[in-house]
Formats: sequence, structure tokens, C-alpha cells
Amino acid sequence: DGGITQSPKYLFRKEGQNVTLSCEQNLNHDAMYWYRQDPGQGLRLIYYSQIVNDFQKGDIAEGYSVSREKKESFPLTVTSAQKNPTAFYLCASSIRDRSSYNEQFFGPGTRLTVL
Amino acid sequence: KNEVEQSPQNLTAQEGEFITINCSYSVGISALHWLQQHPGGGIVSLFMLSSGKKKHGRLIATINIQEKHSSLHITASHPRDSAVYICAVRSSNYQLIWGAGTKLIIKP
Repeated sequence: DGGITQSPKYLFRKEGQNVTLSCEQNLNHDAMYWYRQDPGQGLRLIYYSQIVNDFQKGDIAEGYSVSREKKESFPLTVTSAQKNPTAFYLCASSIRDRSSYNEQFFGPGTRLTVL
Repeated sequence: KNEVEQSPQNLTAQEGEFITINCSYSVGISALHWLQQHPGGGIVSLFMLSSGKKKHGRLIATINIQEKHSSLHITASHPRDSAVYICAVRSSNYQLIWGAGTKLIIKP
């Protein structure tokens, strides 16, 4: 059945290492998003992509990178330049971005802990 | 001041109680979303509103565009309703702005 998968669910990383979080969707959605969630705060947009081979920075893109080589996949790399990477990361997708009635579908999330 | 404010931040109630969670926003919007985040982290969409009221089972969502306020109500609350409820607004330029969430615990 259709949905969004994120892997792994829990990820531990040593300081100074890059790490890539996976996000795959089989909903045939054009738009995909990466959010970061910290305790007591709303979701913050890291990057989004409205179409293959195109992506834009969100509100907190520094220290992160993405690629969108396939419609189904939108991996997020947390680089060593990200000063405070420990957080819960959520991936989402939607049919299209520029719509008032756009519903985003979320993956189960990846909890990243930097040791 | 955040553009989307939810209250209360935390709410604990007994099973069967009527629950109200509030969301106020300060920007012009084209739509407002209510979502539910389960303890495991997954998020599901509950409602999308641009006016009036919507009902789904024991959940009711209302919005007052003039007052820039929305409420999510849960009737006959149950422990399985325990979750974080998130309000998000889609601004006039299609940006999605998220509230911090309300953590609800329903005790049996």
C-alpha cells in the first residue's frame, strides 16, 4: 500500500560525521519536504522540492543538503557543519506545493542523536 | 511572538471529558490544518478548514476567520486520543506555518 517510509527510525552519530536520512514515497507525489522537530517548538522546514532535480532552502537549511534525483526519493544529509543536529526529522510529501488545499502526508520520522 | 499560537501547551483530562484545544494566528491564511502526532512520532492529518466547522467521528474543528482563531474539540475523550495535536496555517503566499503543538493525555 502507498505511503512514505523513512529509515532508520533511530540514528546515532559521532560529532564531525555526515549522515544521510532516507525518505521514500510511492504516492506519486510531486512535492517533498524535510522538517526538523525540537521539543516545545513547531516543525521547521529544512528543504523542500516541488519537482525532480529541483529543491529550495527552507527556514533552517544551514548544515543540511538534499538531492532529488528521483520522484520517489528525497534523502537529507546532515553535515558536520550543522551545529546542533540532535532532533527528530520528519519527511513529508504532497501532490503539489502551490495549493491552498494541499495535504501533506508524513513519514514515521527519524530520531537523530549526536554523541 | 509566534505567528501561530496554541493553547494549552499541555492538557491532562479524565476519560469521557470534553476537550478543547485552541489555535490563534496572526497572519492572513488560505487554510488551517489540524494534525495529530502519535507518541511514536508519526503525524496524520485530521482536518483542513478554510471556514465554518468540520466533524469527523468524535472530533470537531471550527474556525473563525474574523477572529483568527480555530478550536479542535474531542467529545467523549478516550485514552487512545492521547497525542500531540498540531495546528498549522497556510499563509496567503502558500507558506505553511506550524504551531508548537498541544500534548494531550487522557487518563482512564
